[in-house]
Amino acid sequence: QLQLQESGPGLVKPSETLSLTCTVSGDSISSSNYHWGWIRQPPGKGLEWIGSMYYSGNTYYNPSLKSRLTISLDTSKNQFSLKLSSVTAADTAVYYCARLSDGVPADHWGQGTLVTVSS
Amino acid sequence: QSALTQPASVSGSPGQSITISCTGTSSDIGGYNYVSWYQQHPGKAPKLMIYEVSNRPSGVSNRFSGSKSGNTASLTIFGLQAEDEADYYCSSFTSSTTYVFGTGTKVTVL
Repeated sequence: QLQLQESGPGLVKPSETLSLTCTVSGDSISSSNYHWGWIRQPPGKGLEWIGSMYYSGNTYYNPSLKSRLTISLDTSKNQFSLKLSSVTAADTAVYYCARLSDGVPADHWGQGTLVTVSS
Repeated sequence: QSALTQPASVSGSPGQSITISCTGTSSDIGGYNYVSWYQQHPGKAPKLMIYEVSNRPSGVSNRFSGSKSGNTASLTIFGLQAEDEADYYCSSFTSSTTYVFGTGTKVTVL
């Protein structure tokens, strides 16, 4: 059974870098069938697609975040990660990691982790 | 990329049917048959209900049905039940090889 679990700091200071890791069990992130990515949801608001990565190294980023965003895979640990630099209060959100299939931004989700940007 | 447009709220009585619309452009909904729908209960992660416009994942009730016409996709819930009360989000693949979500619709069972 596929499971995804986010981990990382719940509090980040403004202007610093937000870093999260997603640990995958029940599937290999090296699988050629899927991408792996991130989605966020500010408190009380809607979903925003952040970006994804394919095992081959191809990345796909939300244009509004692209300049601050890095998504990477660690196949040895079956994990993938998100780094978002120069954060502001507007980046406060629940961050979800997800598995993507063709045309589907998330067919399986992690439980989500709240990251607050505050000094 | 702009969020897809959904009504803020839709309501119905138990047993009734309701339809949620999701409007985009020819660069997303209108250009691809890659529309998905998600259900989200409070405090929970979203759950995939429909993919590729009208397909249901295993385990999803056949009371949920998806369709598309032009730049607008729709989710219909037949035989509304109390457990269907939740937020619903559409999403689409885009011509920029990214994804975009809808603004979200709160479904209330009266």
